[in-house]
Amino acid sequence: GESVGLHLPTLSVQEGDNSIINCAYSNSASDYFIWYKQESGKGPQFIIDIRSNMDKRQGQRVTVLLNKTVKHLSLQIAATQPGDSAVYFCEVGDMRFGAGTRLTVKP
Amino acid sequence: GAGVSQTPSNKVTEKGKYVELRCDPISGHTALYWYRQSLGQGPEFLIYFQGTGAADDSGLPNDRFFAVRPEGSVSTLKIQRTERGDSAVYLCASSLGRNSEAFFGQGTRLTVV
Repeated sequence: GESVGLHLPTLSVQEGDNSIINCAYSNSASDYFIWYKQESGKGPQFIIDIRSNMDKRQGQRVTVLLNKTVKHLSLQIAATQPGDSAVYFCEVGDMRFGAGTRLTVKP
Repeated sequence: GAGVSQTPSNKVTEKGKYVELRCDPISGHTALYWYRQSLGQGPEFLIYFQGTGAADDSGLPNDRFFAVRPEGSVSTLKIQRTERGDSAVYLCASSLGRNSEAFFGQGTRLTVV
């Protein structure tokens, strides 16, 4: 089966700083990648996606980077805000989720 | 509504009882997924429907768990002879298909006492 893992289970940042959340995957055939955000008491919510023919995609305050050579995915959040506090999951096209990374933003 | 709807939002049942959890996906979404999530953990995949058929049920933990989607829209997750270890939040998601954004419901919190 596929392994989806995260380098850091928790991340604490100061409000206004940039955040980087990392994800490693094992299936080199994966061609679609999504980041989800889950706030307490809610279901996961789509943030941004990227297909394997790209190595970078930007959204509003978020950027996803894909390195297919080392099978690594990252989510960058610019000017992190308290509302960004949540658990973040990467999903690599098979709708399986790892443990997630908990992001805590300190005011 | 415009989103994925799950009912009930909370369910408390006695050990050994049978429960049904319902998921109303977004209209037109052919793919539907069920997950189970325990506190502090990521969603655990249970089953994936494409249309009416279960395309992947490899995540169902045992034969007490069963899910149906008879008309390719609403899905019901059925749990027989519930055990305390079944207590969790059960999440449903739908999408236009594989490799597309999935939309999650708010979940059903199941408590087995």
